[in-house]
Amino acid sequence: DSGVTQTPKHLITATGQRVTLRCSPRSGDLSVYWYQQSLDQGLQFLIQYYNGEERAKGNILERFSAQQFPDLHSELNLSSLELGDSALYFCASCLGSPTDTQYFGPGTRLTVL
Amino acid sequence: LAKTTQPISMDSYEGQEVNITCSHNNIATNDYITWYQQFPSQGPRFIIQGYKTKVTNEVASLFIPADRKSSTLSLPRVSLSDTAVYYCLVVNTGTASKLTFGTGTRLQVTL
Repeated sequence: DSGVTQTPKHLITATGQRVTLRCSPRSGDLSVYWYQQSLDQGLQFLIQYYNGEERAKGNILERFSAQQFPDLHSELNLSSLELGDSALYFCASCLGSPTDTQYFGPGTRLTVL
Repeated sequence: LAKTTQPISMDSYEGQEVNITCSHNNIATNDYITWYQQFPSQGPRFIIQGYKTKVTNEVASLFIPADRKSSTLSLPRVSLSDTAVYYCLVVNTGTASKLTFGTGTRLQVTL
């Protein structure tokens, strides 16, 4: 158990819909990373937050957004969903620096029908 | 952007030493090399990280030559439970925006 929690574990929705994925970091960690893992794309870094502020962006689509709240939990919002958004979405937390060990959550499996 | 290249898959017998090499030709001065292990439907798990020469911990060793354009993860005496995907990751100390996971190496360990 990494100490990082993600909800929900599974999510099934239809194209065009909007969903919110939630992540609670390990106690003491200030930084949260979001990743997308699909069969054909591998593990793709989406976005990083540190202590409530966006710190770095990766390959995140404009239809996707995220935020980190004062209690340090984070939410990833995916809108106008397409079939190709079906993937495993992981969050990871660490103390703060990009070189700190990242602790990954169990992931949310999103299926868009 | 330090793109990484790894073998797609490797096979090994239980008890053997396994070496997985990662190529990162465009590595920058302030980049570190990190390896993660991932089991099916689970999040990746940190194995080891290094900057140069050799790093060893209780589960693996990491060898990085002087030019740092490649690195080798060494797993001593693998067991069936080491069957997983191994990712090489180049991490910049300044920003995560260049965070790049490799394609991963699928290691299959058999008896």
